[in-house]
Amino acid sequence: DSGVTQTPKHLITATGQRVTLRCSPRSGDLSVYWYQQSLDQGLQFLIQYYNGEERAKGNILERFSAQQFPDLHSELNLSSLELGDSALYFCASSVESRVYNEQFFGPGTRLTVL
Amino acid sequence: SQQGEEDPQALSIQEGENATMNCSYKTSINNLQWYRQNSGRGLVHLILIRSNEREKHSGRLRVTLDTSKKSSSLLITASRAADTASYFCATNVANQAGTALIFGKGTTLSVSS
Repeated sequence: DSGVTQTPKHLITATGQRVTLRCSPRSGDLSVYWYQQSLDQGLQFLIQYYNGEERAKGNILERFSAQQFPDLHSELNLSSLELGDSALYFCASSVESRVYNEQFFGPGTRLTVL
Repeated sequence: SQQGEEDPQALSIQEGENATMNCSYKTSINNLQWYRQNSGRGLVHLILIRSNEREKHSGRLRVTLDTSKKSSSLLITASRAADTASYFCATNVANQAGTALIFGKGTTLSVSS
């Protein structure tokens, strides 16, 4: 158990809909990362938050947004969903260090867009 | 964009044999990490090697890093069936905003008994 929790585990929805994925980081970790894993793109970094502030952006679509709340949990919002958004979405957390940033991953949310 | 590329894409061995996976990357790094993923589940951190280190050990794992060649290798000795999983290298790129990891596409390891 990594200490990172994600809900829900599975999500099935239709094209055009909006969903929210939730993540609680390990106790004490201020950095939260979101990654998307799909068969064709592999593991792609989406966005990082540090202590409530956006820290870095990766390959995140404009239809996606995220935030980190004062209690450090984070939410990833996906809107106007397309079939290609079907993927595993992982949240990870770590201490903020350029050298020792071992990341702890949650179990993921499997999103299926029909 | 993909930073790391693992080689081979797939590896099948017998229990007790050693497994070696390689990773190449493109830009300067702060560190390189290896993760394991069991079928569709979360990633588990295995080992981190800093850019100024050349070799690191953890149990049956041995990682090497050659920054001049921008490559790393992961050796799993005396493999067990429980080692069956996908293995990913991930780099923390130097001089980037934030501390996100860039992952390779992974090596799928199958260990048969």
